[in-house]
Amino acid sequence: AQSVTQPDIHITVSEGASLELRCNYSYGATPYLFWYVQSPGQGLQLLLKYFSGDTLVQGIKGFEAEFKRSQSSFNLRKPSVHWSDAAEYFCAVGAVSSASKIIFGSGTRLSIRP
Amino acid sequence: SQTIHQWPATLVQPVGSPLSLECTVEGTSNPNLYWYRQAAGRGLQLLFYSVGIGQISSEVPQNLSASRPQDRQFILSSKKLLLSDSGFYLCAWGSGQGLAYGYTFGSGTRLTVV
Repeated sequence: AQSVTQPDIHITVSEGASLELRCNYSYGATPYLFWYVQSPGQGLQLLLKYFSGDTLVQGIKGFEAEFKRSQSSFNLRKPSVHWSDAAEYFCAVGAVSSASKIIFGSGTRLSIRP
Repeated sequence: SQTIHQWPATLVQPVGSPLSLECTVEGTSNPNLYWYRQAAGRGLQLLFYSVGIGQISSEVPQNLSASRPQDRQFILSSKKLLLSDSGFYLCAWGSGQGLAYGYTFGSGTRLTVV
């Protein structure tokens, strides 16, 4: 079965600073990997995904993530954060099957310091 | 385009009362459907998924049940709510053809059991 670990519960960065959110996964085969963002009281929005090809993937809102098989990691990055990036970020791993289940990490809450 | 509707947005129910949350999808057919719960300060827990009408799989033992009476309708129910059922419930749909596009989430239902 697949699993996801997001080691940072809460991160605070200054506006304009760079950001990296960590994600480690466990899955026996090549995984489908996702990053979602959740604003308070809202559903989840897909930021980016990886399942094959170039290991550096670009997403919406200026985010990118790099798949590193040797480290079982899929860290999310942004070169310069904006106050509107304050939200909860979830890393997720999917298993290919008839059910196509996606398992989510516990999330990282991002706060932006003015 | 595909859309997913979830209602109600908020709900306050007394302990021991019944529950019915509804989720419908438009613009697609034969979707995989999922119910997640997000407890305060925690990640998303997969509760149920369905790959077709009348086909329900439960991920965790609990006080809740799910049904899929129509292709694009997914219902989460309880006969008697517990305090521990409080949380943010999210419905999602995914293509029955795999994980290439991830899931699309509804806007969620905030359930408070009092």
